[in-house]
Amino acid sequence: GQQLNQNPQSMFIQEGEDVSMNCTSSSIFNTWLWYKQDPGEGPVLLIALYKAGELTSNGRLTAQFGITRKDSFLNISASIPSDVGIYFCTAVDSNYQLIWGAGTKLIIKP
Amino acid sequence: DAGVIQSPRHEVTEMGQEVTLRCKPISGHNSLFWYRQTMMRGLELLIYFNNNVPIDDSGMPEDRFSAKMPNASFSTLKIQPSEPRDSAVYFCASSPLYGYTFGSGTRLTVV
Repeated sequence: GQQLNQNPQSMFIQEGEDVSMNCTSSSIFNTWLWYKQDPGEGPVLLIALYKAGELTSNGRLTAQFGITRKDSFLNISASIPSDVGIYFCTAVDSNYQLIWGAGTKLIIKP
Repeated sequence: DAGVIQSPRHEVTEMGQEVTLRCKPISGHNSLFWYRQTMMRGLELLIYFNNNVPIDDSGMPEDRFSAKMPNASFSTLKIQPSEPRDSAVYFCASSPLYGYTFGSGTRLTVV
């Protein structure tokens, strides 16, 4: 089946640092979505990407839809404590269903 | 809009008991999804409905699991009988096409 490889699995960072994570697939997708899950809550949509090469920002978050349509990247600039959580990449398949990455857990060092 | 509403938030039950999880999707969203999340397996799609009709239930683990959507504003996920390995967080999500909105989940503990 279709799979997304999301890296890294977890990140320990200092407050103020920039964060990068990525998602790759052997399959081509036409839509990529990035979600964040806070502890005890459901995932929340952060950014949606609809066009290869597209770069979209949402505040300190920037996501890119890879030109090959097989990957996507998420960057967080100047991290703050409320950025902790699990970030999921997802891709929309031909049946409009979401294929999920395993998630990147972001932990900020005290 | 109140978002996707799930109840209860927490459920603790004894093995063998019937458990019913409830979901109210966002009005106007024609797709509804039930997911299960565990540390070991991450997010797993159990079943999804489109316009109240079950489209794909291949993710439902066993016959002990069943889901219904009697109308556009309500869905249930039932486990009968429940087992300790069913312990997980169960999420409901609704979507107009994609870009799901998730509920806050039901944390189920079967002892």
